[in-house]
Amino acid sequence: NAGVTQTPKFRVLKTGQSMTLLCAQDMNHEYMYWYRQDPGMGLRLIHYSVGEGTTAKGEVPDGYNVSRLKKQNFLLGLESAAPSQTSVYFCASSYGTGANSPLHFGNGTRLTVT
Amino acid sequence: AQKITQTQPGMFVQEKEAVTLDCTYDTSDQSYGLFWYKQPSSGEMIFLIYQGSYDEQNATEGRYSLNFQKARKSANLVISASQLGDSAMYFCAMREGELTGGGNKLTFGTGTQLKVEL
Repeated sequence: NAGVTQTPKFRVLKTGQSMTLLCAQDMNHEYMYWYRQDPGMGLRLIHYSVGEGTTAKGEVPDGYNVSRLKKQNFLLGLESAAPSQTSVYFCASSYGTGANSPLHFGNGTRLTVT
Repeated sequence: AQKITQTQPGMFVQEKEAVTLDCTYDTSDQSYGLFWYKQPSSGEMIFLIYQGSYDEQNATEGRYSLNFQKARKSANLVISASQLGDSAMYFCAMREGELTGGGNKLTFGTGTQLKVEL
């Protein structure tokens, strides 16, 4: 069972470059999320999706775009990377909103912007 | 105001002892859920335990239990009989109800780094 798979695992970008992080889940989950984790700040929600074709802004959406063209995939794009976007990015998915629907996380992508 | 507050940046506990990790939350919702996740040094996020706001019993999962005090808005994680493998970062998180946006979004605290010593 793959669960939630994130690619790539590591990436180094120069300021101004663009990139796309891919998240894929094989659990047929409706909800998908992108979080970033920074030291001392916990995980903060960037964008999320409540179903195929939908996206919504989270707590820290600026500088990021997302797309959910297929139910199993959730893409996070950085159009013009900045050093402030150096972080560990986590994708997560969940079946629904009930008690038995915890978020399932991928293993994270460590991004460094120089 | 912070929605989730974890006031202990770091904790130490002796192996085989119990430890309590504190978590307080702030919400005006009547329906909400509280989660605890473990993040070992390898980086993955592991779901530990869930407590719903209407659950009358405290949640338990093996050596993990959640001390839920609704009036005080606290949801402390208790780990019994600590093991070396419990050394990790622990995050408390809250899902608020549909009235505040829903979508099962979790808001996380800043975490507590637990170190289990021999």
